[in-house]
Amino acid sequence: QVQLVQSGGDMKKPGSSVRVSCMASGASFGNFAISWVRQAPGQGLEWMGNIIPSFPTTHYAQKFQGRVTFTADESTSTFYMDLNGLTSEDTAIYYCAKESSGNYLRDFDYWGQGTLVTVST
Amino acid sequence: EIVLTQSPATLSLSPGERATLSCAASQSVRRYLAWYQQKPGQAPRLLIYDASYRATGIPARFSGSGSGTDFTLTISSLEPEDSAIYFCQERSDWPLCSFGQGTKLEIK
Repeated sequence: QVQLVQSGGDMKKPGSSVRVSCMASGASFGNFAISWVRQAPGQGLEWMGNIIPSFPTTHYAQKFQGRVTFTADESTSTFYMDLNGLTSEDTAIYYCAKESSGNYLRDFDYWGQGTLVTVST
Repeated sequence: EIVLTQSPATLSLSPGERATLSCAASQSVRRYLAWYQQKPGQAPRLLIYDASYRATGIPARFSGSGSGTDFTLTISSLEPEDSAIYFCQERSDWPLCSFGQGTKLEIK
């Protein structure tokens, strides 16, 4: 059974950076394609980009280009999302989500539990 | 960027009733549309992929239809546990991805 376990919530100051981790299990690391999706309080879902370590490749949504970096550590089966230049508008729950390998990576069949990042003075 | 517009924003129905949720795309996404259910404090759960295929473990009362720009999620006979927010998602131009703004379904 695939599981994605994310790091705990974090509080950050404006202008700082945050790292969220997502530890994957239940499948070969090479089979994971991971997207990062965020959800501001009471709002909808926003795709930030993805990483496929086996290719290797990363893609970033235009909105986050230059401000976000995705990495992966095969030795620990852990994916990371680094977001810098934080503002209050980055306050959100950040999810890692596995792209469905059985459906050409078109949708997300497993999700992490979410990590709340709060940006405040 | 493809924009997905969901309607209605909120739906309030009684147990046993039929729910019809819509998702309209700003341009054709062929059949590359998925539906998710999100309950308070939980991550989204995949319900339907490729417009009409139920994901593993999803009850048969959930069904999807549509192609091109107009899609529907139908819940045939509502259960109290179906109270949630439902999102549509497209990925017709991988890796780009868009989500709808969600429909909140309340069970009276």
